[in-house]
Amino acid sequence: AQSVTQLGSHVSVSEGALVLLRCNYSSSVPPYLFWYVQYPNQGLQLLLKYTTGATLVKGINGFEAEFKKSETSFHLTKPSAHMSDAAEYFCAVSEGGYLGATNKLIFGTGTLLAVQP
Amino acid sequence: DAGITQSPRHKVTETGTPVTLRCHQTENHRYMYWYRQDPGHGLRLIHYSYGVKDTDKGEVSDGYSVSRSKTEDFLLTLESATSSQTSVYFCAINDPFTSTDTQYFGPGTRLTVL
Repeated sequence: AQSVTQLGSHVSVSEGALVLLRCNYSSSVPPYLFWYVQYPNQGLQLLLKYTTGATLVKGINGFEAEFKKSETSFHLTKPSAHMSDAAEYFCAVSEGGYLGATNKLIFGTGTLLAVQP
Repeated sequence: DAGITQSPRHKVTETGTPVTLRCHQTENHRYMYWYRQDPGHGLRLIHYSYGVKDTDKGEVSDGYSVSRSKTEDFLLTLESATSSQTSVYFCAINDPFTSTDTQYFGPGTRLTVL
């Protein structure tokens, strides 16, 4: 069965500092990996995703993530935090597949990012 | 929110009463999902639908039922609400022919069961 572990339920950084949110997954098949962001009182918004191909994936708002198969990781980074990045971030995994098929997403428990001025 | 609306956005109800939440999409996506979000648990899948009248259970389906009579609407019903069903409920949609496994979420419904 697939699973996702997000290390650190709360992360605090200073404005301008590096953001690193950790995600490790377990999957018996090549996974598809996702990061979603949730701002207060809103739904989840897709930040970026990895399906196949280039392992460094760039997303919206300056975020990127790198798929490392050997480490079963998909950590989210941003070089310089902004106050507007304060939100909750969710990592998710699916079994992936071919176009036309679909699989359920398994979510991590989330990491709440605080950005200090 | 990718053409997804949820109603109501907030609801307070009493234990034992029936509650129905509605998800409406304008994207014509085949798949629709209901999740609940609770602190420390992330999002957990309640039920999903892969077409009109085609539904299946997720990991936390006990106490919930769903119906989908039209492509655009997916209803979640709590037959007899309990305090443990106090949560934020999210609907999501997916079109496997344009974006495999990528789900797009609605704004959520905050349900409080007293």
